[in-house]
Amino acid sequence: RKEVEQDPGPFNVPEGATVAFNCTYSNSASQSFFWYRQDCRKEPKLLMSVYSSGNEDGRFTAQLNRASQYISLLIRDSKLSDSATYLCVVKMDSNYQLIWGAGTKLIIKP
Amino acid sequence: EAQVTQNPRYLITVTGKKLTVTCSQNMNHEYMSWYRQDPGLGLRQIYYSMNVEVTDKGDVPEGYKVSRKEKRNFPLILESPSPNQTSLYFCASSSLANYNEQFFGPGTRLTVL
Repeated sequence: RKEVEQDPGPFNVPEGATVAFNCTYSNSASQSFFWYRQDCRKEPKLLMSVYSSGNEDGRFTAQLNRASQYISLLIRDSKLSDSATYLCVVKMDSNYQLIWGAGTKLIIKP
Repeated sequence: EAQVTQNPRYLITVTGKKLTVTCSQNMNHEYMSWYRQDPGLGLRQIYYSMNVEVTDKGDVPEGYKVSRKEKRNFPLILESPSPNQTSLYFCASSSLANYNEQFFGPGTRLTVL
């Protein structure tokens, strides 16, 4: 079983819709969680950190469920520019290693 | 402009011909690392460095070497490339104080024939 798992998609979503996807992690000792965004053929960029209490940044909401060991990303009022691959990242506080999911591809259609 | 640069961006080579991919950052970051990205596998860390002259193996170090003689540079060396090292390579850097945000270079697409 992979340490961090994501549905690869693609998720095909009409513009303006709300879309959500999850990421599961296997190590219960995982301490920090992040969502990165990667545009086609480009480098990943930090989208947002995921806090225990959940956090929101504009149209984006990230949540953590430690009991079930998953994090989620919700995008409201999706835009064409949201089309990208979303990478889930998990970090243990015991070291400086980041564990990356393979990503979920999102395609927003007009 | 704060950035991480990699060169070359694209490279096609043959098995066994030594190559070096350079990585440089201008943000005075302590931490630098190399990843490879393959379809369906996500980013896998090759090597990382927490400061000058300090390097450590990541998840997939076999077939690679690195050095950190200066803070800004972290070259990736393939002494004898093989076709299974065909991949998209990313260099990344961050400060140790804000390790959560990794800044990535634009990537190097390597093909080994």
